[in-house]
Amino acid sequence: VQLLESGGALVQPGGSLRLSCAASGFTFSDYAMSWVRQAPGKGLEWVSTISASGGNTYHADSVKGRFTISRDNSQNSLSLQMKSLRAEDTALYYCARVALILGQFDNWGLGTLVTVSS
Amino acid sequence: ETVMTQSPATLSVSPGERATLSCGASQSVVSNLAWYQKKPGQAPRLLIYGASTRATGVPVRFSGSRSGTEFTLTISSLQSEDFAVYYCQQYNRWPWTFGQGTKVEIK
Repeated sequence: VQLLESGGALVQPGGSLRLSCAASGFTFSDYAMSWVRQAPGKGLEWVSTISASGGNTYHADSVKGRFTISRDNSQNSLSLQMKSLRAEDTALYYCARVALILGQFDNWGLGTLVTVSS
Repeated sequence: ETVMTQSPATLSVSPGERATLSCGASQSVVSNLAWYQKKPGQAPRLLIYGASTRATGVPVRFSGSRSGTEFTLTISSLQSEDFAVYYCQQYNRWPWTFGQGTKVEIK
């Protein structure tokens, strides 16, 4: 299992950014996928989850209306479209696979850094 | 929202000693709870799911238990590689939530 995030960058407050996660080593379309973030010096925070088919999405209240999770099962890729970015969105963003049974995150990428600053 | 509260914030333990970490849920999460290990510069690692089931490849010195809404992660004999931050996470209801973490440091 390999999860490789990309797209992190320095962006100004109010700006937009799109993160991607390339998945390999497993049948991507069988698994729900998530984004989890960790702000500098802080703990882990769940951000978003998308079902295996892409038909259901869930977002934390802190990002609802600003972030959109999506996936392309034909390309084995997961995305997070972020808009109206705030300083408090500064974090390392991890792509994580949700286990088939129950809901734990059984595999993680190394993360991509998003910095929101003027 | 289900609030997960971990204690203590920091645990100082000598190698070879036992470490006991706690995680309390503000409402029932049944056994839909996981524990993760996080080291600087590394991805989080799943240790325990279903409150007490070890993930693949996790050493037997790691064990998890549940009593109502209180959960415990026990490391029976700390090895040097176990010094890290540990997080609990509930996946019983949305939004999924993490505890604030317990740092296990060398005494």
